Amino acid sequence: QSALTQPASVSGSPGQSITISCTGTSSDVGGYNYVSWYQQHPGKAPKLMIYDVSNRPSGISNRFSGSKSGNTASLTISGLQAEDEADYYCSSYTSSSTLAVFGGGTKLTVL
Amino acid sequence: EVQLVQSGAEVKKPGESLKISCKGSGYSFPSYWIGWVRQMPGKGLEWMGIIYPGDSDTRYSPSFQGQVTISADKSISTAYLQWSSLKASDTAMYYCARRSGTTVGDYWGQGTLVTVSS
Repeated sequence: QSALTQPASVSGSPGQSITISCTGTSSDVGGYNYVSWYQQHPGKAPKLMIYDVSNRPSGISNRFSGSKSGNTASLTISGLQAEDEADYYCSSYTSSSTLAVFGGGTKLTVL
Repeated sequence: EVQLVQSGAEVKKPGESLKISCKGSGYSFPSYWIGWVRQMPGKGLEWMGIIYPGDSDTRYSPSFQGQVTISADKSISTAYLQWSSLKASDTAMYYCARRSGTTVGDYWGQGTLVTVSS
Protein backbone atom coordinates (compact mmCIF):
# COMPACT_ATOMS: atom_id res chain seq x y z
CA GLN A 1 0.00 0.00 0.00
CA SER A 2 1.43 3.35 -1.09
CA ALA A 3 1.92 6.15 1.39
CA LEU A 4 0.05 8.63 -0.83
CA THR A 5 -3.36 7.88 -2.37
CA GLN A 6 -4.10 8.56 -6.03
CA PRO A 7 -7.05 7.46 -8.17
CA ALA A 8 -6.16 4.42 -10.26
CA SER A 9 -7.37 6.01 -13.47
CA VAL A 10 -8.77 9.17 -14.98
CA SER A 11 -9.82 9.96 -18.51
CA GLY A 12 -10.69 12.93 -20.67
CA SER A 13 -11.23 13.96 -24.25
CA PRO A 14 -8.77 16.04 -26.27
CA GLY A 15 -9.02 19.70 -25.34
CA GLN A 16 -10.63 19.04 -21.97
CA SER A 17 -9.04 19.50 -18.54
CA ILE A 18 -8.50 16.79 -15.95
CA THR A 19 -7.31 16.80 -12.35
CA ILE A 20 -5.45 14.06 -10.52
CA SER A 21 -5.50 14.09 -6.73
CA CYS A 22 -2.83 12.92 -4.31
CA THR A 23 -3.88 12.53 -0.67
CA GLY A 24 -1.47 12.16 2.20
CA THR A 25 -1.24 13.27 5.79
CA SER A 26 0.05 16.18 7.83
CA SER A 27 3.40 14.35 7.98
CA ASP A 28 3.92 14.61 4.25
CA VAL A 29 1.67 16.44 1.75
CA GLY A 30 -0.05 18.60 4.35
CA GLY A 31 3.05 19.52 6.28
CA TYR A 32 5.37 20.70 3.52
CA ASN A 33 5.25 22.41 0.15
CA TYR A 34 7.46 19.72 -1.34
CA VAL A 35 5.14 17.77 -3.64
CA SER A 36 6.38 16.65 -7.06
CA TRP A 37 4.58 15.09 -10.02
CA TYR A 38 6.07 12.72 -12.57
CA GLN A 39 4.88 11.55 -15.97
CA GLN A 40 5.80 8.08 -17.18
CA HIS A 41 5.09 6.80 -20.66
CA PRO A 42 5.16 3.01 -21.22
CA GLY A 43 8.70 1.69 -21.27
CA LYS A 44 10.19 5.07 -20.38
CA ALA A 45 11.74 6.61 -17.30
CA PRO A 46 9.66 8.98 -15.17
CA LYS A 47 9.90 12.67 -16.02
CA LEU A 48 9.54 15.53 -13.56
CA MET A 49 6.54 17.70 -14.44
CA ILE A 50 5.91 19.73 -11.26
CA TYR A 51 8.04 20.37 -8.15
CA ASP A 52 7.44 22.17 -4.87
CA VAL A 53 3.66 21.85 -5.38
CA SER A 54 3.28 24.23 -8.30
CA ASN A 55 6.58 24.93 -10.05
CA ARG A 56 7.29 23.73 -13.56
CA PRO A 57 10.81 22.75 -14.64
CA SER A 58 12.16 24.42 -17.72
CA GLY A 59 10.61 23.01 -20.87
CA ILE A 60 7.40 21.71 -19.30
CA SER A 61 4.23 23.00 -20.93
CA ASN A 62 2.12 25.50 -18.98
CA ARG A 63 -0.82 23.17 -19.61
CA PHE A 64 0.45 21.36 -16.53
CA SER A 65 -0.21 22.97 -13.17
CA GLY A 66 -0.09 21.91 -9.54
CA SER A 67 -1.81 22.99 -6.34
CA LYS A 68 -2.39 21.88 -2.77
CA SER A 69 -5.13 22.19 -0.17
CA GLY A 70 -4.63 20.66 3.23
CA ASN A 71 -3.42 17.07 2.88
CA THR A 72 -4.33 16.80 -0.81
CA ALA A 73 -2.23 17.91 -3.75
CA SER A 74 -3.55 18.08 -7.30
CA LEU A 75 -2.18 18.00 -10.82
CA THR A 76 -4.29 19.65 -13.49
CA ILE A 77 -3.70 19.15 -17.19
CA SER A 78 -5.55 21.56 -19.43
CA GLY A 79 -6.09 21.28 -23.17
CA LEU A 80 -5.59 17.51 -23.11
CA GLN A 81 -3.54 16.09 -25.94
CA ALA A 82 -3.04 12.51 -27.05
CA GLU A 83 0.61 12.66 -25.95
CA ASP A 84 -0.49 13.30 -22.36
CA GLU A 85 -1.71 9.71 -22.11
CA ALA A 86 0.63 8.20 -19.52
CA ASP A 87 0.96 7.20 -15.88
CA TYR A 88 1.31 10.01 -13.36
CA TYR A 89 2.87 9.72 -9.92
CA CYS A 90 2.95 12.17 -7.06
CA SER A 91 5.73 12.26 -4.49
CA SER A 92 6.14 14.18 -1.26
CA TYR A 93 8.79 14.91 1.32
CA THR A 94 7.92 13.13 4.54
CA SER A 95 9.00 13.75 8.12
CA SER A 96 9.09 10.01 8.77
CA SER A 97 11.90 9.22 6.36
CA THR A 98 14.90 10.69 4.59
CA LEU A 99 13.36 9.38 1.41
CA ALA A 100 10.30 10.82 -0.22
CA VAL A 101 7.09 8.83 -0.59
CA PHE A 102 5.25 8.04 -3.82
CA GLY A 103 1.61 7.76 -4.66
CA GLY A 104 0.39 4.57 -6.29
CA GLY A 105 0.11 6.18 -9.71
CA THR A 106 -2.77 7.23 -11.95
CA LYS A 107 -3.30 6.06 -15.51
CA LEU A 108 -4.51 8.90 -17.70
CA THR A 109 -6.43 7.87 -20.81
CA VAL A 110 -7.11 10.41 -23.53
CA LEU A 111 -10.33 9.26 -25.19
CA GLU B 1 23.42 18.86 -19.87
CA VAL B 2 22.70 16.71 -16.83
CA GLN B 3 22.65 13.01 -17.65
CA LEU B 4 22.37 9.79 -15.68
CA VAL B 5 23.36 6.73 -17.72
CA GLN B 6 22.68 3.31 -16.31
CA SER B 7 24.25 -0.04 -17.11
CA GLY B 8 22.51 -2.51 -19.38
CA ALA B 9 19.88 -5.16 -18.78
CA GLU B 10 20.83 -8.21 -16.75
CA VAL B 11 19.54 -11.79 -16.67
CA LYS B 12 20.55 -13.72 -13.57
CA LYS B 13 19.71 -16.90 -11.69
CA PRO B 14 18.41 -16.98 -8.12
CA GLY B 15 21.25 -16.85 -5.61
CA GLU B 16 23.62 -14.97 -7.93
CA SER B 17 25.09 -11.58 -7.09
CA LEU B 18 24.72 -8.41 -9.14
CA LYS B 19 25.91 -4.81 -9.18
CA ILE B 20 24.33 -2.23 -11.49
CA SER B 21 25.59 1.26 -12.07
CA CYS B 22 24.47 4.83 -12.70
CA LYS B 23 26.98 7.33 -14.12
CA GLY B 24 26.33 11.03 -13.77
CA SER B 25 27.61 13.79 -16.01
CA GLY B 26 26.99 17.47 -16.66
CA TYR B 27 26.97 18.46 -12.99
CA SER B 28 28.98 18.16 -9.77
CA PHE B 29 28.31 14.50 -9.00
CA PRO B 30 29.60 14.59 -5.38
CA SER B 31 27.22 17.42 -4.46
CA TYR B 32 23.84 15.82 -5.16
CA TRP B 33 22.10 12.86 -3.56
CA ILE B 34 21.39 9.93 -5.90
CA GLY B 35 18.43 7.67 -5.18
CA TRP B 36 17.44 4.23 -6.47
CA VAL B 37 13.83 3.40 -7.40
CA ARG B 38 12.29 -0.01 -8.05
CA GLN B 39 9.41 -0.60 -10.44
CA MET B 40 8.14 -4.15 -10.49
CA PRO B 41 6.34 -5.33 -13.63
CA GLY B 42 3.06 -3.46 -14.03
CA LYS B 43 3.46 -1.73 -10.67
CA GLY B 44 4.29 1.68 -9.25
CA LEU B 45 7.47 3.39 -8.12
CA GLU B 46 9.21 2.63 -4.82
CA TRP B 47 12.15 4.47 -3.28
CA MET B 48 14.81 1.99 -2.20
CA GLY B 49 17.52 4.22 -0.80
CA ILE B 50 19.65 7.26 -1.38
CA ILE B 51 23.35 8.15 -1.20
CA TYR B 52 25.33 11.37 -1.02
CA PRO B 53 28.44 10.68 -3.12
CA GLY B 54 30.41 13.44 -1.45
CA ASP B 55 30.74 11.49 1.80
CA SER B 56 28.87 8.23 0.99
CA ASP B 57 26.16 8.97 3.58
CA THR B 58 23.51 6.35 2.72
CA ARG B 59 19.89 5.94 3.82
CA TYR B 60 17.60 2.99 3.06
CA SER B 61 13.87 2.55 2.96
CA PRO B 62 12.90 0.07 5.70
CA SER B 63 11.59 -2.32 3.04
CA PHE B 64 15.01 -2.55 1.42
CA GLN B 65 17.34 -2.29 4.42
CA GLY B 66 19.54 -5.39 4.46
CA GLN B 67 18.29 -6.53 1.04
CA VAL B 68 20.52 -4.33 -1.14
CA THR B 69 23.65 -2.23 -0.83
CA ILE B 70 24.00 1.25 -2.28
CA SER B 71 27.45 2.73 -2.86
CA ALA B 72 29.17 5.39 -4.93
CA ASP B 73 32.60 6.22 -6.35
CA LYS B 74 32.79 9.97 -6.70
CA SER B 75 36.10 9.75 -8.56
CA ILE B 76 34.27 8.25 -11.54
CA SER B 77 30.87 9.91 -10.90
CA THR B 78 29.11 6.56 -10.51
CA ALA B 79 26.57 5.18 -8.06
CA TYR B 80 25.85 1.49 -7.59
CA LEU B 81 23.08 -0.81 -6.47
CA GLN B 82 24.04 -4.35 -5.57
CA TRP B 83 22.58 -7.62 -4.41
CA SER B 84 24.51 -10.47 -2.80
CA SER B 85 21.89 -13.14 -3.47
CA LEU B 86 19.14 -12.40 -5.98
CA LYS B 87 15.60 -13.72 -5.71
CA ALA B 88 12.96 -14.09 -8.39
CA SER B 89 11.06 -11.30 -6.65
CA ASP B 90 13.92 -8.90 -7.46
CA THR B 91 12.83 -8.97 -11.10
CA ALA B 92 12.06 -5.34 -11.87
CA MET B 93 13.15 -2.18 -13.61
CA TYR B 94 15.55 -0.14 -11.48
CA TYR B 95 16.02 3.60 -11.95
CA CYS B 96 18.52 6.01 -10.47
CA ALA B 97 17.40 9.58 -9.91
CA ARG B 98 19.09 12.76 -8.74
CA ARG B 99 17.83 14.72 -5.77
CA SER B 100 18.06 18.51 -6.02
CA GLY B 101 17.10 20.27 -2.81
CA THR B 102 13.63 19.12 -1.87
CA THR B 103 12.95 17.50 -5.26
CA VAL B 104 13.89 13.85 -5.37
CA GLY B 105 14.03 13.01 -9.03
CA ASP B 106 14.77 16.10 -11.10
CA TYR B 107 16.76 13.88 -13.47
CA TRP B 108 16.43 10.15 -14.03
CA GLY B 109 18.49 7.40 -15.59
CA GLN B 110 17.01 5.38 -18.43
CA GLY B 111 16.51 2.33 -16.20
CA THR B 112 18.12 -1.10 -15.86
CA LEU B 113 15.93 -4.17 -16.29
CA VAL B 114 16.92 -6.99 -13.96
CA THR B 115 15.43 -10.41 -14.65
CA VAL B 116 15.97 -13.20 -12.15
CA SER B 117 14.90 -16.62 -13.36
CA SER B 118 16.05 -20.19 -13.06
